[in-house]
Amino acid sequence: QSVLTQPPSVSGAPGQRLTISCTGNSSNIGAGYDVHWYQIVPGTAPKLLISNTNNRPSGVPDRFSGSKSGTSVSLVISGLQAEDEADYYCHTYDNSLGGWEVFGGGTKLTVL
Amino acid sequence: QIALKESGPTLVKPTQTLTLTCDFSGFSLSTRGVGVGWIRQPPGKALEWLALIYWDDDKLYTPSLRNRLTITKDTSKTQVVLTLTNVDPVDTATYYCAHRREDYGDYDYWGQGRLVIVSS
Repeated sequence: QSVLTQPPSVSGAPGQRLTISCTGNSSNIGAGYDVHWYQIVPGTAPKLLISNTNNRPSGVPDRFSGSKSGTSVSLVISGLQAEDEADYYCHTYDNSLGGWEVFGGGTKLTVL
Repeated sequence: QIALKESGPTLVKPTQTLTLTCDFSGFSLSTRGVGVGWIRQPPGKALEWLALIYWDDDKLYTPSLRNRLTITKDTSKTQVVLTLTNVDPVDTATYYCAHRREDYGDYDYWGQGRLVIVSS
């Protein structure tokens, strides 16, 4: 069980706006550490989707965005497309126990 | 262009030591701020961060496996090696190595992954 909590699954119809949350605590997100998001299409390696809460690497569509509030961050997908069906993970640094990095439990996005 | 590739055994017996190698190109592990991390994903389960080695040889490990993991680098050979001792079937997973960007802390390039099965 990860220290970063994500909903196991979310779903939406094409064109919809959808949000995936990632909740941590005062040792990670609440401490101000940057949070990143990755997309995994089954059978492929993870792909960096959002860096440092709300920065898109080159090539990532602008329908993906991020935000932060307190000990939580969110990935927002505007204008959902069929190709967005994948697993999504948040990732950050945690300063407890000597310092380490952690991924969220992952969220499976289904496009209806 | 940055590229990473994992190599190692596909099948390991319980109690044995697993050694995985990450061969990389397109960057130097001597560059300030750069790191290489290892992450695994058991079949049907979530990503699990394992370890990270920085350009200056500083190392971080996931607390739950700290006493079983060792990460090392060979800068001249552009390799990072991860060892996991006393493996168990629960260590069955796809193991990834990834480039950690300086100044960002994210993993922007990943290897294709190496499926390792622990079974007698």
